[in-house]
Amino acid sequence: DARVTQTPRHKVTEMGQEVTMRCQPILGHNTVFWYRQTMMQGLELLAYFRNRAPLDDSGMPKDRFSAEMPDATLATLKIQPSEPRDSAVYFCASGRVSGAGNTEAFFGQGTRLTVV
Amino acid sequence: KQEVTQIPAALSVPEGENLVLNCSFTDSAIYNLQWFRQDPGKGLTSLLLIQSSQREQTSGRLNASLDKSSGRSTLYIAASQPGDSATYLCAVNDNYGQNFVFGPGTRLSVLP
Repeated sequence: DARVTQTPRHKVTEMGQEVTMRCQPILGHNTVFWYRQTMMQGLELLAYFRNRAPLDDSGMPKDRFSAEMPDATLATLKIQPSEPRDSAVYFCASGRVSGAGNTEAFFGQGTRLTVV
Repeated sequence: KQEVTQIPAALSVPEGENLVLNCSFTDSAIYNLQWFRQDPGKGLTSLLLIQSSQREQTSGRLNASLDKSSGRSTLYIAASQPGDSATYLCAVNDNYGQNFVFGPGTRLSVLP
């Protein structure tokens, strides 16, 4: 049963600490998305990778957020330093873009981050 | 900039009713539209994907339609069950699959 796997599922950290969230996309998928979900803003795109290359990270606060794909089986999202306003659920999704541009996205279970 | 809206924001129905959830988007130049279900504290589960060239997709008791020219999609749920209670989100895929723009969701409660 192919699925997107995210770790950790929950993270509580103190303000100023570094947070690293990890995602294992579905094998064979060539696109990876990072989304953040809050009650106020809903789901917002943070970063997008295709074939491991970052194509869009305009949704991320560049001074503190970074996203990477060290290899095809791992995507990471780091926050340094973390702030209370970063508290949210962070989702990773993967998919495969067809030649016609169609993509079906499959989401992980999310990482619930609380910064105190 | 693409904007996606969903109505109603919340819906409560007795078990067995047929219901329709609505999704509207402002830019019709989309590649596909996807409906998701989200249970409290959980991730998003893909329900149906409609490509831009398609008019509808069906899976079990679910039927989704797409009218790209008018910027609308509907999700029809037949014979609703308490287990259908969840938040339903639609998302449009534009910019060659580079982004899914999500609606705010419809929170559905099906009462036994």
